[in-house]
Amino acid sequence: GENVEQHPSTLSVQEGDSAVIKCTYSDSASNYFPWYKQELGKGPQLIIDIRSNVGEKKDQRIAVTLNKTAKHFSLHITETQPEDSAVYFCAASSPGYSTLTFGKGTMLLVSP
Amino acid sequence: NAGVTQTPKFRILKIGQSMTLQCAQDMNHNYMYWYRQDPGMGLKLIYYSVGAGITDKGEVPNGYNVSRSTTEDFPLRLELAAPSQTSVYFCASSYSKGTGELFFGEGSRLTVL
Repeated sequence: GENVEQHPSTLSVQEGDSAVIKCTYSDSASNYFPWYKQELGKGPQLIIDIRSNVGEKKDQRIAVTLNKTAKHFSLHITETQPEDSAVYFCAASSPGYSTLTFGKGTMLLVSP
Repeated sequence: NAGVTQTPKFRILKIGQSMTLQCAQDMNHNYMYWYRQDPGMGLKLIYYSVGAGITDKGEVPNGYNVSRSTTEDFPLRLELAAPSQTSVYFCASSYSKGTGELFFGEGSRLTVL
């Protein structure tokens, strides 16, 4: 089955800096790569996703890039704010499967 | 608009007891999932369902059972609770198969002593 590795496990930045979280996946057939944000005491919530026919996608301060050849994708957050502090999960899904495989998560702390 | 509702939010069980975690969604989603979240381990899939009457095992199904008698409800049963089942449990639903947004509940924190 699919295996998703996520790095780093924790990331501390100053407000206004950029943050980058990276994930690799094992199944070359995977074609859907979402990112979820989990705030303290809440369930994860989708913030952005990308499909394998696209190399990059942006939504305001967040962007995701995908390198199918290297089988890795990354989340980029620019101009970080304290409210960006949360745990972020990457995930991957292969065609024909009904489920996502999640990475282990990255705890992002943005200090004022 | 309730979305995905989980009950209870917190529960303490003794070893060997049984209980059911309830999950209901009001979005008419066919796909429903149960995940467990342990510190530093991400989200592990326990069971999932692609529609009423159809369930299948995920990555970590041992010690759990599910049923799906209606589109709305997807309860998770723990039989003979063990300390290894201490975790936060999340129910989720989605409209499409594998490549659509998952909508999560707020979680149920279970402690087995």
